Amino acid sequence: EVQLVESGGGLVQPGRSLRLSCRASGFAFGDYAMSWVRQAPGKGLEWVGCIRGKLYGGTTDYAASVKGRFSISRDDSNNFAYLQMNSLKTEDTAIYYCTRDEGATAWFVDHWGQGTLVSVSS
Amino acid sequence: DIQMTQSPSSLSASVGDRVIIPCRASQGINKYLAWYQQKPGKVPKLVIYAASTLQSGVPPRFSGSGSGTDFTLTISSLQPEDVATYYCQQYNSAPLTFGGGTRVEIK
Repeated sequence: EVQLVESGGGLVQPGRSLRLSCRASGFAFGDYAMSWVRQAPGKGLEWVGCIRGKLYGGTTDYAASVKGRFSISRDDSNNFAYLQMNSLKTEDTAIYYCTRDEGATAWFVDHWGQGTLVSVSS
Repeated sequence: DIQMTQSPSSLSASVGDRVIIPCRASQGINKYLAWYQQKPGKVPKLVIYAASTLQSGVPPRFSGSGSGTDFTLTISSLQPEDVATYYCQQYNSAPLTFGGGTRVEIK
C-alpha cells in the first residue's frame, strides 16, 4: 500500500525558513516523480513543484510563486522527499500535501499524503 | 504558464441529475488533463486522467471528455456522496496548473 506521511509543518515568522519532509513507503520510490501541492485556507489547490524520478535525473520544476524561494530534494536511499521553504511570506500559509505522480516525470497525482499545515505569521 | 479556467465556481443540482463541469486551458494540452474530487475536510482524490480514463475504483457515473483546450467532467446521475469540489489539472507541461475548482452541491 502506498503511504505518504508529511512532517515539519508549524508556525513560522515571515522571512524565516522551514523544511517539510515526506516519508514514502509501499512503492519503488526512486522510479516516481514526487510533487508538493498546497491549499491555502478556504482556497483551491496550487501545484508547488516537483522532483522527477531517477529516469529523468531528479530534475525539478517550480511554480512561479515559489521559484527561487522553495527547493525540492529527495533521498532515494531512505525514501524521503523534502520541501525547503525559504523567505516565507504570509501568503505561503497553507496545507502542504506530499504527492506521488503517476510516473517518473511531472504527471497527474495518484496518491496524496494527509498534508501538514504551515502557518506564516508574526 | 498554462492557465486553467473552471466556471462556474459552484453549481447546485438535484439527486439523479446529469451534471457537467467544464474546464478550459489557455493553450492546447492534448489530452493531458486530470480531474480530482475533494470532499469537505478531505484529501483530494483522482477521478479521471488522460481526459477520459476513469481511475480504478471510481464509480462509472463519472466520465470525462475533451482534448486540446476544452474539457468536461460529467456525473451522469448525481448522488449525495458526490457533493465535493472538483478540480481539473493540466500535466502537458511544467509548471503544472490546477483550475480554481467547481463546487457541486445538492439542490
